[in-house]
Amino acid sequence: GDSVTQMEGPVTLSEEAFLTINCTYTATGYPSLFWYVQYPGEGLQLLLKATKADDKGSNKGFEATYRKETTSFHLEKGSVQVSDSAVYFCALPLSGAGSYQLTFGKGTKLSVIP
Amino acid sequence: DAGITQSPRHKVTETGTPVTLRCHQTENHRYMYWYRQDPGHGLRLIHYSYGVKDTDKGEVSDGYSVSRSKTEDFLLTLESATSSQTSVYFCAIKPTSGKQGEQFFGPGTRLTVL
Repeated sequence: GDSVTQMEGPVTLSEEAFLTINCTYTATGYPSLFWYVQYPGEGLQLLLKATKADDKGSNKGFEATYRKETTSFHLEKGSVQVSDSAVYFCALPLSGAGSYQLTFGKGTKLSVIP
Repeated sequence: DAGITQSPRHKVTETGTPVTLRCHQTENHRYMYWYRQDPGHGLRLIHYSYGVKDTDKGEVSDGYSVSRSKTEDFLLTLESATSSQTSVYFCAIKPTSGKQGEQFFGPGTRLTVL
C-alpha cells in the first residue's frame, strides 16, 4: 500500500548548518507530496508541497524536490535557525481514497542549538 | 488556522472510564479527521467524517467511536479507556477550497489513562 519512510531522528544541528531530512515513498501513480511541521506544543501545519515530478516546493527557506526516479522528496534548508526546531513529517495522499486521507511518516525531530 | 479548537486540552482519567474529546470548527468544512500521535508511530488516523452523520474508520479505530451530529462538531469517544490509549489526539479538517493533502490541524488534546 501507499506509504512514506523518513529518516529516523532525532537530528541535532548547530545554527546555520545545512539540513537534509530524507523521505521516500511508495505509491500508485504520481501523487502529490507534502512536508508538514509541528512546532512544540502545537498541531501540524503544512510546510510545503509538490504536485508532480520534478516540482520543487519551497517555503520559509525550506525546499523539497519531487524525484520520480528515486521516489524521494527530501527536505533541505541551507542554514537552519533555532526557530526551526520542530518535528517534520513527510506525507502523501492515499490513492483511491475519496476521503482525502493522508498517510504520514513517523516524523523527524530537529533540534537546532545556538 | 481554520478556526479549529479541541477540548479538553489535557485530561487524566482512569482505566475503564468513558472519555469524549471534542473538535469544533467554525468554517463549515465537510471533511474532519481524528488522529493519534505516539512516539515511533507518527500520526495515525482513527476515524474521519465526510459530512453530518457520515463517518468511517481509519487505521487504528478499535476502541474508539465517533459522532458528527452537526457540521461544526466531531466527537471522539473512548467507551472504556485503556492505558494503550494514552496519547496526544489531533483533530484536522480538509479546507473546502483546499487541494488533496492539505489539512489544517487543531492544537491537540493530551490524554493520560492511568
